[in-house]
Amino acid sequence: AQTVTQSQPEMSVQEAETVTLSCTYDTSENNYYLFWYKQPPSRQMILVIRQEAYKQQNATENRFSVNFQKAAKSFSLKISDSQLGDTAMYFCAFMKRASGTYKYIFGTGTRLKVLA
Amino acid sequence: NAGVMQNPRHLVRRRGQEARLRCSPMKGHSHVYWYRQLPEEGLKFMVYLQKENIIDESGMPKERFSAEFPKEGPSILRIQQVVRGDSAAYFCASSPLDRMDSPLHFGNGTRLTVT
Repeated sequence: AQTVTQSQPEMSVQEAETVTLSCTYDTSENNYYLFWYKQPPSRQMILVIRQEAYKQQNATENRFSVNFQKAAKSFSLKISDSQLGDTAMYFCAFMKRASGTYKYIFGTGTRLKVLA
Repeated sequence: NAGVMQNPRHLVRRRGQEARLRCSPMKGHSHVYWYRQLPEEGLKFMVYLQKENIIDESGMPKERFSAEFPKEGPSILRIQQVVRGDSAAYFCASSPLDRMDSPLHFGNGTRLTVT
């Protein structure tokens, strides 16, 4: 069975600083995708960044980047130059396709607070 | 291009009543997923549907819960005889067919409160 673990229930960071959110997963699959979603107080789920497992290069989206370590099954999210608007719950998600079905598994989330 | 539309945004039901949650996927998306989020918890998979078919309902309770995605109209998540433990935010997400690299697009959720 696939599992996704986010070991940091809460984190805080000063505005303009850098913070890293951790995520580990467990799978025997070789082909899969990983995502980070953000859920601000508005409750909407917003895609932050995604990574394909067969790509060595770490994904980057503006101030957001990942450190993908496939052998260690680790997929951490780095937020640079943190902004107040980054305050939200962050969910790591694992996705694979098997037998025509998509399986998405989410972690329990990390609540990030950016401090002024 | 409208996103995933869920309604109602908030739903209050008394114990024993029925709750109907609606989800219209993004245009061109034929895969719909329902997730439940309890307070301070992550999203738990409930059911995955394509048009007129339930593909995977392994996360849905066997009793009182049902889901459908008809040929015409929105996907419906139905909870019969609601209990207090059903209080949660229910999210619908959609994705297009045959795009493994396409992430889920979420609606804004329906917050169900059972009194």
